[in-house]
Amino acid sequence: DAGVIQSPRHEVTEMGQEVTLRCKPISGHDYLFWYRQTMMRGLELLIYFNNNVPIDDSGMPEDRFSAKMPNASFSTLKIQPSEPRDSAVYFCASSYGSGANVLTFGAGSRLTVL
Amino acid sequence: QKEVEQNSGPLSVPEGAIASLNCTYSDRGSQSFFWYRQYSGKSPELIMFIYSNGDKEDGRFTAQLNKASQYVSLLIRDSQPSDSATYLCAVNRGYSTLTFGKGTMLLVSP
Repeated sequence: DAGVIQSPRHEVTEMGQEVTLRCKPISGHDYLFWYRQTMMRGLELLIYFNNNVPIDDSGMPEDRFSAKMPNASFSTLKIQPSEPRDSAVYFCASSYGSGANVLTFGAGSRLTVL
Repeated sequence: QKEVEQNSGPLSVPEGAIASLNCTYSDRGSQSFFWYRQYSGKSPELIMFIYSNGDKEDGRFTAQLNKASQYVSLLIRDSQPSDSATYLCAVNRGYSTLTFGKGTMLLVSP
């Protein structure tokens, strides 16, 4: 398996623009997590899905953030409109069953909002 | 009080020494504990996890858990320069999610 695949790896955009981050989890994994990492706040859970269903989105900072998982092999995290404070590395991770906490992370998407 | 606390470091040790990384957590109901390693510019990767009080060894790594003191540690024996990274402690409080500490940077000098 190629692991968790994220795109884009780097995104530079201007304030107010829409940003869409994409993730392909490991085949067969039934959990998918979106994390955000900054120096100040560390690694924060934004939302997670189980069997494509959003379970907990309490970490989503505000309504500008939304996430979808239309099928078992694809998820998106959208920020609209983007703000400079959204600049961070966004990680997608997946896991399986009783090992839900054994996360495999993607390479991350580094977002810079100017 | 933060849920998972780690000293940010850097912790500097010479090659061949034992590196000791520490983590405290606030929720007494926490059930399982994980150590992830993150190289600069890379994503976190799992090193090991521990559920029960005591020690768990995996090669050069030993995780230690003391639930009464709400304390978990990671020992790295025979430290190598390739161990230089940030080590993230993560805690599961009974759900399918982990709460991460901010990590401790380890520097192993040749």
